[in-house]
Amino acid sequence: NAGVTQTPKFQVLKTGQSMTLQCAQDMNHNSMYWYRQDPGMGLRLIYYSASEGTTDKGEVPNGYNVSRLNKREFSLRLESAAPSQTSVYFCASMRDFDQPQHFGDGTRLSIL
Amino acid sequence: QKEVEQDPGPLSVPEGAIVSLNCTYSNSAFQYFMWYRQYSRKGPELLMYTYSSGNKEDGRFTAQVDKSSKYISLFIRDSQPSDSATYLCAPIKAAGNKLTFGGGTRVLVKP
Repeated sequence: NAGVTQTPKFQVLKTGQSMTLQCAQDMNHNSMYWYRQDPGMGLRLIYYSASEGTTDKGEVPNGYNVSRLNKREFSLRLESAAPSQTSVYFCASMRDFDQPQHFGDGTRLSIL
Repeated sequence: QKEVEQDPGPLSVPEGAIVSLNCTYSNSAFQYFMWYRQYSRKGPELLMYTYSSGNKEDGRFTAQVDKSSKYISLFIRDSQPSDSATYLCAPIKAAGNKLTFGGGTRVLVKP
């Protein structure tokens, strides 16, 4: 079982460039999430989608946009990348609130 | 003040020792409590999940919740080098759809 798949695994961008991080889950989960993880900061929620067709801001949404393309896919877009967005980005999905979140293995993004 | 606090460590112990990890939270609306384990360069994976105050045991792992003190603990008995990882606590509200993660505690188990 693939679980949660993130692409790409690594990416280097220049300041001002744009890119989209892709995430897909094959567990028929309702909710999907995008986090960033920085040293000493833990996991911080960027955006989430509680169900297909809805998206909501998390703790650190500035500089990002998301699209819940269908039940399986949830993408994260950086319109104009900044060095402060250098981080490891994790996508997760969850069936319901009393169920665990399942995580992908992350996208390591460096912005020069 | 963060809603969920953990000592960042690293916590270094010899193989076979008991590892004790702690987490405090400030929001009394949190009702479900999860512990995730994260290996280097990997995504977090669920280790333990508990709802009620008291202890929950799963093999070498015991999760303890004290809602009155807003205090969560994870104990690892007979620790192994393979337990070396970062441990994240993550409470969630009843009927909520967002986890709130602590910053994680890095654990090193030395052979």
